[in-house]
Amino acid sequence: GQSLEQPSEVTAVEGAIVQINCTYQTSGFYGLSWYQQHDGGAPTFLSYNALDGLEETGRFSSFLSRSDSYGYLLLQELQMKDSASYFCALGGGGFKTIFGAGTRLFVKA
Amino acid sequence: DGGITQSPKYLFRKEGQNVTLSCEQNLNHDAMYWYRQDPGQGLRLIYYSQIVNDFQKGDIAEGYSVSREKKESFPLTVTSAQKNPTAFYLCASSGLSSYNEQFFGPGTRLTVL
Repeated sequence: GQSLEQPSEVTAVEGAIVQINCTYQTSGFYGLSWYQQHDGGAPTFLSYNALDGLEETGRFSSFLSRSDSYGYLLLQELQMKDSASYFCALGGGGFKTIFGAGTRLFVKA
Repeated sequence: DGGITQSPKYLFRKEGQNVTLSCEQNLNHDAMYWYRQDPGQGLRLIYYSQIVNDFQKGDIAEGYSVSREKKESFPLTVTSAQKNPTAFYLCASSGLSSYNEQFFGPGTRLTVL
């Protein structure tokens, strides 16, 4: 089967850089995505890695290493509005997507 | 503006009643999904559909049913067979070639009393 592991909580200071890790187990693999969800809201897509390496989108970057079954989301220049839950998601064949349990990020002033 | 709508935002039902949650999208996406989210948890896939008149079970399909009669619409029925239906339900859609980028509706919070 497929499974993903993320830390349950991360705390960082405004203006700092934070890394949220995601390790996974899968027999088939089509890419690792990241989503942000504010309390009570809908998840919004942040980034997707199909290949090994770093993808950068503004203040957000995502990294994937298939050989290590590992990825991370990097948030730079943290802002208070970045306080939210972040989910990694594994894309498998046939449109089936498995989400991790999420990492709650607290940004402190 | 293109997007996904879900209605209602909050829904209360008595135990033993079936309830249908609405999901409509005008993004011209072929694929649609239903997820369940419990407090402090990730999203779990209930059903998904790649094309009209076809759908597949996800990881937690028991006690749920769906239909896909139109490309724009993918309603979810929570039946009385679902043992613990109180949850936050999220509908999503994606293009066929970009299913790793899903667009989500605002969600329906279902409470069964």
